[in-house]
Amino acid sequence: SSELTQDPAVSVALGQTVRITCQGDSLRRYFAAWYQQKPRQAPVLVVYRNNRRPSGIPDRFSASSSGDTASLTITGAQAEDAADYYCNFRDDSGDLRYVFGTGTKVTVL
Amino acid sequence: QVQLVQSGDEVRKPGASVKVSCKASGYRFYSYGITWVRQAPGQGLEWMGWINAYNGNTNYAPRFQGRVTMTTDTSTSTAYMELRSLISDDTAVYYCATDYGDYIDFDPRGQGTLVTVSS
Repeated sequence: SSELTQDPAVSVALGQTVRITCQGDSLRRYFAAWYQQKPRQAPVLVVYRNNRRPSGIPDRFSASSSGDTASLTITGAQAEDAADYYCNFRDDSGDLRYVFGTGTKVTVL
Repeated sequence: QVQLVQSGDEVRKPGASVKVSCKASGYRFYSYGITWVRQAPGQGLEWMGWINAYNGNTNYAPRFQGRVTMTTDTSTSTAYMELRSLISDDTAVYYCATDYGDYIDFDPRGQGTLVTVSS
């Protein structure tokens, strides 16, 4: 099965831009979905299907991909963006229908 | 608005089984699948398996194969996940999510179900 690797932690100054990456060899057929998770809360979908955002998700969240790397960018990070972020892909190449990334903890300074 | 309401937290002894329910509302239950995801304390998200709410087809992660059974009751729009032969490493929060085919969506208001396995 595929593995998706994320940096364990990144920090960003308030109002600045941060990019969270997700690297894996299965990043071809499907688009990444990205989730934000705060302590003791369920994951929240922030981006899906080629940079679509669910209702209520600010447009400072955007996604892109290139080759074997998918990225989530937060432009103008806010204090409430501090959280864990996970990428997720549908994967038909292995035994798992979906694969999650290892997660990135974002700290807003 | 999609809502997924899960059953309450559970405590089990090693070797026992647990069955978690997930009642869906706000959409046609049989139109999409249900995916189950778990998160051990301090760990990341782990995909466990999926069930097609329309025909009951399932796909389980290999590490759970033989120990997990996912079912649905379309009459009540409820999905179930049963995990057997529990060990301490199964202590985790278990989430259900709506599976749209190429992505899954959790209920932001959901808290998941904490299953604690302890002797």
